[in-house]
Amino acid sequence: EVQLVESGGGLVQPGRSLKLSCTASGFTFGDYTMNWARQAPGKGLEWVGFIRSKAYSGTTEYAASVKGRFTISRDDSKSIAYLQMNSLKSEDTAVYFCTRVVDTTLVDFDYWGQGTLVTVSS
Amino acid sequence: DIQMTQSPSSLSASVGDRVTITCRASQTISSSLNWYQQKPGRAPQLLIFAASSLQSGVPSRFSGSESGTDFTLTISSLQPEDFATYYCQHKGTFGQGTKVEVK
Repeated sequence: EVQLVESGGGLVQPGRSLKLSCTASGFTFGDYTMNWARQAPGKGLEWVGFIRSKAYSGTTEYAASVKGRFTISRDDSKSIAYLQMNSLKSEDTAVYFCTRVVDTTLVDFDYWGQGTLVTVSS
Repeated sequence: DIQMTQSPSSLSASVGDRVTITCRASQTISSSLNWYQQKPGRAPQLLIFAASSLQSGVPSRFSGSESGTDFTLTISSLQPEDFATYYCQHKGTFGQGTKVEVK
């Protein structure tokens, strides 16, 4: 059974950093592009970024709203994807979801984690 | 950047109704359009990928179609468990969402 479990969320002050983890199981992690999306309280879904599999050079793509502040990485030996968030702003407050990408061209998300809440506030 | 305009933002319907939700792309995107269902407090679930392909395990009352830059999600006969919010998605862009409520 495919499972994605996010961790690392919490309360953080503006300008500080936080690192989220997504621990995967039930599939060959290294074969898949892994993605992060978020949802602010009461709002819609927003794409954050993804990291391609090593077969596609392990390159990353980011939304304009987080580019230069957020970094996605992966450790295939541990089946974990990471989201390093720096210079956090109040508008980064959201539930952050880790998702698996089925097709790197189509960018469809077939499995989602339960999400972890990040609150940016002083 | 490609914009995705989803409509309506909400709708009221009854069990057994046929429901349609539309997503319009600002330019041609071929069939690169996915649909998700999200229930309160839960993660989204993939319903339709590549505009019209039904994800495994999703009931056949859900279907997707495309006409040019317009994409449609149809629920042929709304069931109680279908009251939820639906999102379209093209690569790094989600639609604004459509909340399907009880009439």
